[in-house]
This record gives sequence, structure tokens and C-alpha cells, in this order.
Amino acid sequence: DQQVKQNSPSLSVQEGRISILNCDYTNSMFDYFLWYKKYPAEGPTFLISISSIKDKNEDGRFTVFLNKSAKHLSLHIVPSQPGDSAVYFCAASDSGGSNYKLTFGKGTLLTVNP
Amino acid sequence: SQTIHQWPATLVQPVGSPLSLECTVEGTSNPNLYWYRQAAGRGLQLLFYSVGIGQISSEVPQNLSASRPQDRQFILSSKKLLLSDSGFYLCAWNNGLAGGEQYFGPGTRLTVT
Repeated sequence: DQQVKQNSPSLSVQEGRISILNCDYTNSMFDYFLWYKKYPAEGPTFLISISSIKDKNEDGRFTVFLNKSAKHLSLHIVPSQPGDSAVYFCAASDSGGSNYKLTFGKGTLLTVNP
Repeated sequence: SQTIHQWPATLVQPVGSPLSLECTVEGTSNPNLYWYRQAAGRGLQLLFYSVGIGQISSEVPQNLSASRPQDRQFILSSKKLLLSDSGFYLCAWNNGLAGGEQYFGPGTRLTVT
């Protein structure tokens, strides 16, 4: 059972436009959500996160929105740049345990065209 | 600052051969440590995690095993590799504080032939 779902395997946008990456989850115990960016043959790098007590978190060009009632979050990248082309993973955690396991989605490949 | 190392970077092994991948973390103490695998076209699958020396939890039954002989060392092993073990193996750590961010190493590309 996939608890974190990224239903779009790929997304293509023009440079300068907005990129919107979506993520849905099913586990109501998740209370922390993260986005990672991954280039080929490299480890994922942490981008931005949001606690379940918030509905928005912004860091430069990156904004994450959380809709708890819909169990949905999204990552907005504005403006998109060619260097943003990568696979983006959504992840969620249940902080009830100290080991902080993350459950990842399958990722969305973002391509930003010049 | 903290850094995480993995080696080797790439590995080609025949079916039935043993495996040992190593991960070390610098600049922190008593981290939580994790092994993930990313198979071709798939997401990140958690294989093992460890909250302390000698403490290993397995997430997925398989022919792999993990060990943590020292505080900042995490080893992934197999006695006999299968073709299905091919993939990109990632080690990660976090400090167990609220937030849950994990920080990943550069990964090891394993090809079983």
C-alpha cells in the first residue's frame, strides 16, 4: 500500500514559468512533510519541509502548500530555471518515534525547457 | 559541518558473489542511519535503519543484511547477490531531532551481472 503518492511521473515547463509538483498521502499519522531534489547518479538533497500545523512554507523560489483535509501537498517553484530539472521526491514522516523514518513517493521528473 | 561518505561509487558484481557497501558519517555523534535502494524507474525504498551501535531494523525481507559496528559506520552486506539486487544504494543520516530531515550520501551504483 503506497502511503505517499506522486501521480505525475513527469512534468515539463518553460523557463520562467511556475512548476507545480503534487503529492498525496493516506496516513493520517504523518505530521511532517519534505521535498527532496535528485539529480541522476547523486543522492537526494533536502529542499524544503512543512509541519502539519502549518499550511504554507516558503524558501526563496520554493513554496510548499499543505492541505490536511485533502491529504495533499504541493511544491511550487517560481520562476522555474533549467537547473531545476531533476527528479523531485515527496516524503512524509510520523514523528511519534525517534528514528524518524521517511516514506517516499516514487518521484516526479521535472524538465525545465530554456 | 557534517559529511557522509559512501564507497564504492560503482560496483559490478556477478550473481552469487558477496557484497559489502560502507557508509560513514563525520561531524556528528549518535546519528540515526539508513540504507535505501532506488531500483530503475522506482522511488526510494527503505531497507534498514539503525538508532545505535548494533541496533538494526529491517524494513523489507531480502537477502541483504546491515551492521553498525561503530557509531558512525553503517555497512550493507549480502552473502550471495541476486540479479534483482541491482540498483542505486543510498545511505542517509539524521540526528533524531524534530523535523525528520535526512541527509543522503552520494550513493553506490550496483550492477549484478
